[in-house]
Amino acid sequence: SYELTQPPSVSVSPGQTARITCSGDELPKEYVFWYQQKPGQAPVLVIYKDNERPSGIPERFSGSNSGTEVVLTIAGVQAEDEADYYCQSTDRNGDFVVFGGGTRLTVL
Amino acid sequence: QVQLVQSGSEVRTPGASVKVTCKTSGFRFTSYAIHWVRQAPGQRPETLGWINVGNGYAKYSQKFQGRVTFTRDTSASTVYMELNSLQSGDTAVYFCARRGVSTITPYFDYWGQGTLVTVSS
Repeated sequence: SYELTQPPSVSVSPGQTARITCSGDELPKEYVFWYQQKPGQAPVLVIYKDNERPSGIPERFSGSNSGTEVVLTIAGVQAEDEADYYCQSTDRNGDFVVFGGGTRLTVL
Repeated sequence: QVQLVQSGSEVRTPGASVKVTCKTSGFRFTSYAIHWVRQAPGQRPETLGWINVGNGYAKYSQKFQGRVTFTRDTSASTVYMELNSLQSGDTAVYFCARRGVSTITPYFDYWGQGTLVTVSS
């Protein structure tokens, strides 16, 4: 089955920039989406179609997909950004979503 | 505003079935697909499949084919997920999520709050 790979953890100090990567063979051809999940809560969409922000998501969240590297960037990290972040794309048939293993962002 | 409200936690014994409710509001129900995703403790989310609410067509992940059924009640703007032959490995939080429409690639713009299903003897 198709899999997406993320680093298990990223740690940054408040005000610094966090970069979370996501890799998978089909990502150059597919859109990537990012979700933030805090303990005991449902995921929240923070980036869609590689680099677009839903309404209500702070500007410090941005995404990129160069075809060789997919990245979620959080500029000026705040304590409230501490959470698990999941990248998501689709399987090869486009029928089902596929999630990365998740990255725990720790704000030091 | 868009809301997906799920039924409460369930406890089942191995071999039993569970039916989870996802009641929606704030949008045109029949214009969307609703997906079901589950997340075991400390694990990545995993898809069970989806239902096109407008015509009732459902597609199931191969892993759950034959064991899961999605239905909907358009008069109540509600979707149901029933999972049979439960085993301890089915213990997870089950989410319903609305599929976004900005692209043909599936993604989720709104989620239910989740329903914990615990399978234990």
